[in-house]
Amino acid sequence: GAVVSQHPSRVICKSGTSVKIECRSLDFQATTMFWYRQFPKKSLMLMATSNEGSKATYEQGVEKDKFLINHASLTLSTLTVTSAHPEDSSFYICSGNNQLGGETQYFGPGTRLLVL
Amino acid sequence: QKEVEQNSGPLSVPEGAIASLNCTYSDRGSQSFFWYRQYSGKSPELIMSIYSNGDKEDGRFTAQLNKASQYVSLLIRDSQPSDSATYLCAPERGAGSYQLTFGKGTKLSVIP
Repeated sequence: GAVVSQHPSRVICKSGTSVKIECRSLDFQATTMFWYRQFPKKSLMLMATSNEGSKATYEQGVEKDKFLINHASLTLSTLTVTSAHPEDSSFYICSGNNQLGGETQYFGPGTRLLVL
Repeated sequence: QKEVEQNSGPLSVPEGAIASLNCTYSDRGSQSFFWYRQYSGKSPELIMSIYSNGDKEDGRFTAQLNKASQYVSLLIRDSQPSDSATYLCAPERGAGSYQLTFGKGTKLSVIP
């Protein structure tokens, strides 16, 4: 149980384009979903917290107009990186918090973004 | 800024030995603590959670928590080469926030 999927697993795009990443909880309802970013040899950094049906809460320093988050249902959240630049190249990972399971977060497999 | 400190390693142990991973945190409001394992190029996977002071055992893994000292640890008994990974300590940000703060992780290498 507690499986989270992400799509795509890897994406390469040109600078200035937008990229959408989907995060789905497959066997549970995720009241809250989280988006993280991880640069090589660095720790996971929380970008934003989203609750189903409401606006996401962004961490300090994360541009909400650049990283658009939609949490339309209890099983789907999307992250759109708008006007991507090479410095946005990173490993983006989502996680879901089981509505019935308290604080435990279950992570998706991640999406590796490379902006050329 | 709440801090989570872990020795970056690498920590090398021979196969079959006990690996001891340590973590200190600065947020006194944290009530829930998690250990995740992350293989290179992969996303984190949950190893254990601990909420109360003392020890919690799950198979070869034992988590230890001391809230007064703001210290949490993970022991891995009978270490296997497949345990070689980076171990991330993640306290919850204050009680009930559901948000986690991750340490940089300790890289463990189990030598056959």
